Order: sequence, then structure tokens, then C-alpha cells
Amino acid sequence: GAGVSQSPSNKVTEKGKDVELRCDPISGHTALYWYRQSLGQGLEFLIYFQGNSAPDKSGLPSDRFSAERTGGSVSTLTIQRTQQEDSAVYLCASSPRVPLGPEAFFGQGTRLTVV
Amino acid sequence: LAKTTQPISMDSYEGQEVNITCSHNNIATNDYITWYQQFPSQGPRFIIQGYKTKVTNEVASLFIPADRKSSTLSLPRVSLSDTAVYYCLVGVAKIKAAGNKLTFGGGTRVLVKP
Repeated sequence: GAGVSQSPSNKVTEKGKDVELRCDPISGHTALYWYRQSLGQGLEFLIYFQGNSAPDKSGLPSDRFSAERTGGSVSTLTIQRTQQEDSAVYLCASSPRVPLGPEAFFGQGTRLTVV
Repeated sequence: LAKTTQPISMDSYEGQEVNITCSHNNIATNDYITWYQQFPSQGPRFIIQGYKTKVTNEVASLFIPADRKSSTLSLPRVSLSDTAVYYCLVGVAKIKAAGNKLTFGGGTRVLVKP
């Protein structure tokens, strides 16, 4: 596709359920980032993938959060046993290089609501 | 990681120049300064990036003093459509460097009035 695609665009889930959020980066982009944005707040770094290197998971808020990137392309962010404080917009960005710069693009995000 | 500090909000009027200053006192030698713009319900969009002195593109200018402990994003002749949140980021540019978890601060909400 022409840009970074995220799905679903909106997700409402019950507390305690698991959710999977998907990110399709721009073809050929080796770097992929996940951020979280709570209502009215700035972006919080979660995890970063670069090529075949081990991901930087230092931003994941708890062990309920995990992410993988298969084949250096699509990435899935999984949140287990969701809590209400997990409600936020989850944004994915891809870039042909690091750090984020002119060639980096963000997706529209997935708005997660935990009820 | 270099922490950034920006004003929370700023009001302006159409046609005026808007200058947003970001403080990053502990910026590292290899860090670049990047600014992003975010409209409601959209992901951030790259505006400009620089290392030192002045950078200008078709959208904005970025002024970085010699000590690099701050930077100023300048938006010339803003229009209503420039109403958005503007984020200042500081991070390394080396491809193999560690610590690429670029941190977005709270951003500056710019409201352009008619």
C-alpha cells in the first residue's frame, strides 16, 4: 500500500480480554515503531524493530504487552488481559532507517477502548 | 535520553508567524532534533529535522543555537489549517546506535484563529 496501514481502526473490548493490533508498514521500510497515545497526551514509545536485530522492548509498560514482526514486514501488538488504563490510540510508524525522520510515516492508529 | 520541554499551548492568528521553542538541555552529541505535526485523529507527520544552525524547507524553519540545548520551530504566515499539536523530538541518527526509542513530549497545541 501507499502508506502505513493499521487495523482495526477501532476496537472495543471487555476488561480481561486479549486484543491484537496489526500494523502493515510501507514496503521496504526496515524500521517499525509502536507508540501509545492516551487522550490529550503525547506519544509514549512502546517498542521498536529494526531489520533482523532484536527489538527494543524497553517501552512496553508491562508483561501483558508483547509485539512481533514477521518476515520483517507486518507487526502485531498483543495486549493480554486488557485493563481500562490500556485504553488509548496505538500508533505504528515505519521508516527506511532510524531514527524517525523525513521518510518515516505514521498510520492512522487503532483506538482501543477497554470497558 | 534527552528530555524535551515545550509550551503546552499557543494561540495565534492567520497570517502571523508562530515560533515554538523546545528545550533539550541534555542533548547528546549525536542527537538530531525533529519536529512532528499531529492533527486530531491522525498520526504525527514529519515537519523538519536539523542538527545545528538553521534548516528551512517549504513548510517551516528550524533554528538551533550553537549549544543545541534548545531549538525553535518557526511557522511563517500560519493559516487555520495549521491548528495542530507540534512535537519536538531528540534522538540519535546513527543507524546502529542503541536507544532509538525516540520520546515524544506532551507537544504544543497551536490554535490559529481567524
